Amino acid sequence: GDSVTQTEGPVTVSESESLIINCTYSATSIAYPNLFWYVRYPGEGLQLLLKVITAGQKGSSRGFEATYNKETTSFHLQKASVQESDSAVYYCALGDGNYAQGLTFGLGTRVSVFP
Amino acid sequence: EAAVTQSPRNKVTVTGGNVTLSCRQTNSHNYMYWYRQDTGHGLRLIHYSYGAGNLQIGDVPDGYKATRTTQEDFFLLLELASPSQTSLYFCASSDEDTQYFGPGTRLLVL
Repeated sequence: GDSVTQTEGPVTVSESESLIINCTYSATSIAYPNLFWYVRYPGEGLQLLLKVITAGQKGSSRGFEATYNKETTSFHLQKASVQESDSAVYYCALGDGNYAQGLTFGLGTRVSVFP
Repeated sequence: EAAVTQSPRNKVTVTGGNVTLSCRQTNSHNYMYWYRQDTGHGLRLIHYSYGAGNLQIGDVPDGYKATRTTQEDFFLLLELASPSQTSLYFCASSDEDTQYFGPGTRLLVL
């Protein structure tokens, strides 16, 4: 089956530092899966952060970026300068295009940003 | 953006108890899902539905029933709750390629 592996947390960074959360995937049911980053802020539900459905493309939102790399089967999340408000749990997820089947999620990476 | 709400937000019950978790979405999405999220696991799909009266089995369905009464409402039923069902439960609805999640229900089974 499909699987997603991401950076094991917790990750601690100082404000204004850069952040990268690695995500690699294995998709057995489809050659070009849809890729997502979701975020869960304290006390809230999961929110879509960004998505990319075309290999080679980059998605961006709220200063975060992720590039869909088909060759390395990766979708790493990066931000050049984090803020304390970026403290959250980040989830990488894969969809096989048949959205009836639900998404396959990574374990989540807890990020804490300190001032 | 789709609005998905869940109730209750927190629930405590005892082993063998009967629990119903509710989910409502207001954007008329056809697909709705129930997931559970536990430490050491990503979100895992319990049940899903593509419309009123429809129910599909997900990856971890044992011990759970679900019912989709309307386009908007999707319920998760635990008829004999067990401590192994202590978890954080998320409901989601979906348009063509994106799932929108509710805030979650934290369930504790004593």
